Amino acid sequence: SQTIHQWPATLVQPVGSPLSLECTVEGTSNPNLYWYRQAAGRGLQLLFYSVGIGQISSEVPQNLSASRPQDRQFILSSKKLLLSDSGFYLCAWSVRLAADNEQFFGPGTRLTVL
Amino acid sequence: KNQVEQSPQSLIILEGKNCTLQCNYTVSPFSNLRWYKQDTGRGPVSLTIMTFSENTKSNGRYTATLDADTKQSSLHITASQLSDSASYICVVSHMDSNYQLIWGAGTKLIIKP
Repeated sequence: SQTIHQWPATLVQPVGSPLSLECTVEGTSNPNLYWYRQAAGRGLQLLFYSVGIGQISSEVPQNLSASRPQDRQFILSSKKLLLSDSGFYLCAWSVRLAADNEQFFGPGTRLTVL
Repeated sequence: KNQVEQSPQSLIILEGKNCTLQCNYTVSPFSNLRWYKQDTGRGPVSLTIMTFSENTKSNGRYTATLDADTKQSSLHITASQLSDSASYICVVSHMDSNYQLIWGAGTKLIIKP
């Protein structure tokens, strides 16, 4: 069966510090991968998605970046965090080209920028 | 503009009671509509999916309906349990994209004993 891992589970970082969140998927190959952010009491906002190694599409302009160095690894980064980067970050995967585009989510990372 | 709006924003009901959550969307062309359940501090989990030709889908005590003409969906929860306390999110898929989903803000449901 497929599983998706995210770490760390929680993170408290000062403004201006760098960020690296990691997501890995097991039990599937060539997945679509996604990074979402969810602000408190708000809906999910798609940040990045990837259809293959090295292929990243950005949905919103921001100081975040994403990379996919391996098929089942997706990394979210920032060189300098802003207060507005605080939120709940979710990684998800889906089967590529599936008619039913269900997305399966990881446990999330709670980021607090102080 | 492609949008998904949900109501109510939050709801409190007593354990054992039924409730109905609403979702209106303006996504076109429409591919499918999915309801997700998100427990606090966790990732969302899919409950049901409906395509254009389906107007009802059940998953245990959860029943979703879809009216593609009026672009409305509802999620009915029967005989609520404490474990139903969560946010319920309506998500619509756009026909032109296999990757991008239009997410509603969710309804926060609290079940009280």
